[in-house]
Amino acid sequence: RKEVEQDPGPFNVPEGATVAFNCTYSNSASQSFFWYRQDCRKEPKLLMSVYSSGNEDGRFTAQLNRASQYISLLIRDSKLSDSATYLCVVDSWGKFQFGAGTQVVVTP
Amino acid sequence: GAGVSQSPSNKVTEKGKDVELRCDPISGHTALYWYRQSLGQGLEFLIYFQGNSAPDKSGLPSDRFSAERTGGSVSTLTIQRTQQEDSAVYLCASSPLLLATIYNEQFFGPGTRLTVL
Repeated sequence: RKEVEQDPGPFNVPEGATVAFNCTYSNSASQSFFWYRQDCRKEPKLLMSVYSSGNEDGRFTAQLNRASQYISLLIRDSKLSDSATYLCVVDSWGKFQFGAGTQVVVTP
Repeated sequence: GAGVSQSPSNKVTEKGKDVELRCDPISGHTALYWYRQSLGQGLEFLIYFQGNSAPDKSGLPSDRFSAERTGGSVSTLTIQRTQQEDSAVYLCASSPLLLATIYNEQFFGPGTRLTVL
């Protein structure tokens, strides 16, 4: 079983709609959680960190559920520019494990 | 300021040859990470450095892989006797501090695309 698992998608989302997806992790001792975004053939870039109480950054909302060991990302009012692969990242004492990514395609 | 840089950007080599991949982290960043990404796949964690030391080398795929970091700055990933399955994009990232209780953003370089023929 992979340490970090994501639904690969693709999630096809009409512009302006809301999309949400999860990521599960296996190491209960994990400390930090992130969502990174990766555009095609580009390096990943930090989208947002995920805090225990949940957090928002504009149209993006991240949640952490430690009991069930998953994190989620919700994108509201989707823009065409949101089309990308979203990588779930879990940090366990400096060892960062990346999920394989969830592809989101926003269509006009 | 300058971001993370990696060289070469592309490397084509023959099976059995050794290759060296270089990463120049952002100045002052304590932590440095190596990953590899095969086509259409997620990132595979290889190794990280805290300063010049590597606390966890368990991600290295085999003993043909080694990495070092000198002066708390530049890092080199060496692959000996390359195999076709080593073909991938090798990504380096750095972050300013490595503490379990602090959320550290990793800044990625553009990667080195390695092709083993």
